[in-house]
Amino acid sequence: AQSVTQPDIHITVSEGASLELRCNYSYGATPYLFWYVQSPGQGLQLLLKYFSGDTLVQGIKGFEAEFKRSQSSFNLRKPSVHWSDAAEYFCAVGAQESNYQLIWGAGTKLIIKP
Amino acid sequence: DAGITQSPRHKVTETGTPVTLRCHQTENHRYMYWYRQDPGHGLRLIHYSYGVKDTDKGEVSDGYSVSRSKTEDFLLTLESATSSQTSVYFCAIRTGGGYTFGSGTRLTVV
Repeated sequence: AQSVTQPDIHITVSEGASLELRCNYSYGATPYLFWYVQSPGQGLQLLLKYFSGDTLVQGIKGFEAEFKRSQSSFNLRKPSVHWSDAAEYFCAVGAQESNYQLIWGAGTKLIIKP
Repeated sequence: DAGITQSPRHKVTETGTPVTLRCHQTENHRYMYWYRQDPGHGLRLIHYSYGVKDTDKGEVSDGYSVSRSKTEDFLLTLESATSSQTSVYFCAIRTGGGYTFGSGTRLTVV
């Protein structure tokens, strides 16, 4: 069955520290991978996406993610977090074969310690 | 950015009443989606549309219906609202391989 797992429900990081949010997927087709961010009371905003090519993709707000096919992972990273990064982060997977319908992880809430 | 608006932003309704949520887009994208978001569940697809009058069910479609009579509008109707349908509802459009989301509608069924 197709699924996306974000194993961490909450992550707490000190401001200025590095961040890695995990995303693992189970998908039969060649996946398209996405990370979205949701600030409180807001809709979801696309951070970055991977379709093909270079497995390290850069996104907005200083985020990057690396696609590792052998590990079925697409982890999100940021070298130094800011208080404004506090939000919920969602990983999603889709494919051309499934008509680009996205399957979503349950989200990881990022808490920033001052 | 793709223009997508949802209305209303907030609504409180009574159990058993019908409710319609509206999603409007300004750029003629073919695919539109309705999701609900609940704590611990992430986003769950209710219904989606792949063109005017072309719709299909998602994973949590029971109790919901949709209509798309013109490209720009995608309506979600709760025929008889129940407390389990208290949620935040998001509309999305497919843009450039990803999705662009509206700001959401917070629906409370009392």
